[in-house]
Amino acid sequence: DAKTTQPTSMDCAEGRAANLPCNHSTISGNEYVYWYRQIHSQGPQYIIHGLKNNETNEMASLIITEDRKSSTLILPHATLRDTAVYYCIVRPLSGQGGKLIFGQGTELSVKP
Amino acid sequence: DAGVIQSPRHEVTEMGQEVTLRCKPISGHNSLFWYRQTMMRGLELLIYFNNNVPIDDSGMPEDRFSAKMPNASFSTLKIQPSEPRDSAVYFCASSPDRAQPQHFGDGTRLSIL
Repeated sequence: DAKTTQPTSMDCAEGRAANLPCNHSTISGNEYVYWYRQIHSQGPQYIIHGLKNNETNEMASLIITEDRKSSTLILPHATLRDTAVYYCIVRPLSGQGGKLIFGQGTELSVKP
Repeated sequence: DAGVIQSPRHEVTEMGQEVTLRCKPISGHNSLFWYRQTMMRGLELLIYFNNNVPIDDSGMPEDRFSAKMPNASFSTLKIQPSEPRDSAVYFCASSPDRAQPQHFGDGTRLSIL
């Protein structure tokens, strides 16, 4: 079972920031927070991951609360091509190895 | 750079037939994963390999499913005999090692009639 809770759907206006929340209240100390997205008819795409510090890359920013029980993925300037299902996943960096357990994700619709 | 390559992109066949899905991981990646996606169950991990060795096949639904990785650049997922409930999109993913982010192919859409 997925260890995260996300809203089923969200809308965002094109050009605005999209803030996607994720709750992971049972996260363990050795578990990372990963974000993937899946654009229609494509395979999932890795976005970003983090342990406890905020992270930023060319695609997005990841803000993790101090208690690590929740996080927010931020797409700073959403475009129509960012319309996708966004998955928040927690998994250990070692131990269980590569197992990614996908929940239902958040369906983000970016509107003109 | 070439990503994960899967073939075929689409497969339609009749129940009872053997189905073979193929995957070429990204060169240099040592871990390979097979996932299945359906509306009812979402994305599920079927099996993964590390350095060509199967590590966890607990997600393989039943004995009709088998996966092999004869070398570092090729893997197959076989279903024999196929059944209508096997209809799904099957994704292959690879990563430099099992702890690193996974890169997915575009999947094989399988329909069993």
